[in-house]
Amino acid sequence: EADIYQTPRYLVIGTGKKITLECSQTMGHDKMYWYQQDPGMELHLIHYSYGVNSTEKGDLSSESTVSRIRTEHFPLTLESARPSHTSQYLCASSPSLGLETQYFGPGTRLLVL
Amino acid sequence: DAKTTQPTSMDCAEGRAANLPCNHSTISGNEYVYWYRQIHSQGPQYIIHGLKNNETNEMASLIITEDRKSSTLILPHATLRDTAVYYCIVRVKQTGANNLFFGTGTRLTVIP
Repeated sequence: EADIYQTPRYLVIGTGKKITLECSQTMGHDKMYWYQQDPGMELHLIHYSYGVNSTEKGDLSSESTVSRIRTEHFPLTLESARPSHTSQYLCASSPSLGLETQYFGPGTRLLVL
Repeated sequence: DAKTTQPTSMDCAEGRAANLPCNHSTISGNEYVYWYRQIHSQGPQYIIHGLKNNETNEMASLIITEDRKSSTLILPHATLRDTAVYYCIVRVKQTGANNLFFGTGTRLTVIP
């Protein structure tokens, strides 16, 4: 079982609020990822990181931002939440060596009213 | 990364083998085949991967055709807990980001 955690698991918040979704892994993986998935739809990569102080935009444009100050921590922030941000956000990590299998967290379900 | 084609949905009787096909006719020589699954409301879970040889682990078997243009994931004795969306992904190991391109996958329903 992979050691990757996301909090909160569920979040209901009003429009205009600032939110931070937490993601932590204890496996020492260099690479971390954020995916966004609407119900019944495909996963889309929105951010990734090669390691500390590295962040890149993914394939799907997102108004969120990320930071990677520590290897184990990769938080995602929305400065001003909107209903269009309602979705499930999935965090993953992978090692830099070998076949780099990705391990996913349980996800955060966000509802913006 | 090569595009994959999977059936939208499949049913399988509990206790029987579930065979999930995947076509990847444009796969290149250095691309691996990965399988993940996503049980409802959870994050995707890695199942198995392979390059050209058949592979087996405690979860499943992966059969890759000799020309590597298609593969089959086999769950030997499906249980109700195997009901999930199964994703077939082909990609080459890169030195940069290792993002996975998830398609729509196959929704497997195991029937009691």
